[in-house]
Amino acid sequence: QVQLQESGPGLVKPSETLSLTCTVSGGSLSSSYWSWIRQPPGKGLEWIGCVYYNGDTNYSPSLKSRVTISLDTSKNQFSLKLSSVTAADTAVYYCARNRVPGGYWGQGTLVTVSS
Amino acid sequence: QSALTQPPSASGSPGQSVTITCTGTSSDVGGYKYVAWYQQHPGKAPKLMMYEVSERPSGVPDRFSGSKSGNTASLTVSGLQAEDEADYYCSSFAGSNVLFGGGTKLTVL
Repeated sequence: QVQLQESGPGLVKPSETLSLTCTVSGGSLSSSYWSWIRQPPGKGLEWIGCVYYNGDTNYSPSLKSRVTISLDTSKNQFSLKLSSVTAADTAVYYCARNRVPGGYWGQGTLVTVSS
Repeated sequence: QSALTQPPSASGSPGQSVTITCTGTSSDVGGYKYVAWYQQHPGKAPKLMMYEVSERPSGVPDRFSGSKSGNTASLTVSGLQAEDEADYYCSSFAGSNVLFGGGTKLTVL
């Protein structure tokens, strides 16, 4: 059974870079897309982007200038970096399998942007 | 590209049927079979309820069904039960992007 778990700081200062890691267990990163999605408090879901197992990436046009998603196959992890954060980036961040997220999601981690 | 359009709310009595719509364009919902639906209870991660328009994952009751006509996808919940009360989101492949709907709060009266 594939499981995903997000990890990273829960508090980030404005203008700094948000960094999260998703660890995949019970399966490998091979032959799949791996996505990041976020949900501001009380609001809907927003797709951030994805990385394919070969390292190819797709990003949401609205976040593309600030986002980097990468793989570490040796650790069975993939990561999200979001630069120049503001309070509007405060959200629960989820990692998920597949480009259109499928049945495997992490539990989510709340990241608050505040000084 | 804008988010997909869902009604903010829907409701029905136990045992009734309710349909939630998700409207996009020919560049997303209308152009691909990769439309999915998710159920989200408060404080929980989204749960996949439907993929590729009308495919139901293992474990999802057959009371849930999906369809698509043109640029609009639909999720129908038949025989409403109290535990179906939740937020529902659609998503669609859109070329190099993925779009979500704004979400529909389903209330079981």
